[in-house]
Amino acid sequence: GENVEQHPSTLSVQEGDSAVIKCTYSDSASNYFPWYKQELGKGPQLIIDIRSNVGEKKDQRIAVTLNKTAKHFSLHITETQPEDSAVYFCAASRSGNQFYFGTGTSLTVIP
Amino acid sequence: NAGVTQTPKFRVLKTGQSMTLLCAQDMNHEYMYWYRQDPGMGLRLIHYSVGEGTTAKGEVPDGYNVSRLKKQNFLLGLESAAPSQTSVYFCASRWTPNTEAFFGQGTRLTVV
Repeated sequence: GENVEQHPSTLSVQEGDSAVIKCTYSDSASNYFPWYKQELGKGPQLIIDIRSNVGEKKDQRIAVTLNKTAKHFSLHITETQPEDSAVYFCAASRSGNQFYFGTGTSLTVIP
Repeated sequence: NAGVTQTPKFRVLKTGQSMTLLCAQDMNHEYMYWYRQDPGMGLRLIHYSVGEGTTAKGEVPDGYNVSRLKKQNFLLGLESAAPSQTSVYFCASRWTPNTEAFFGQGTRLTVV
């Protein structure tokens, strides 16, 4: 099956700085790569996703890049704010039914 | 529109007891999933279903059973609970394999 590795496990940034979280995957057939944000006591919520026919996608302060050759994808958050503090998960899936998650990154934005 | 609802939100079980977790979605989704979340291990897939009457094993299915008798409900059963099953359980649903998955609020289960 798919193996998704995520780094770093914890990340602290000053408010206004950028944050980058990286993931690698093992299955070259994977073609869908979502990112989820989980706040304390809640279920994960989708913040952005990218499909394998696209190299980059941006939504306001959040962007995701995908390098299919190297099998890695990254989440970029610019101008971080305290409300960005949460646990972020990457995931990978292909045109099948399973959905594999990374181990999560705990992001803290220091005011 | 409630989305994905999990019942119960908290539960404490004694070793050897059984229980059923209920997941209900009102979005008419075909695909439903049960995950467990443990510190440092992310979300691991237990079982999933691709439609009413179907179920399949995920990464960590041992000790769990599931049923999907109605399209909107996906039940996760523990026949004989063990301390290793202490975890937070999340249910998710989505339209197709490569679209957004919607998660419930989670069930915190402690087995003593």
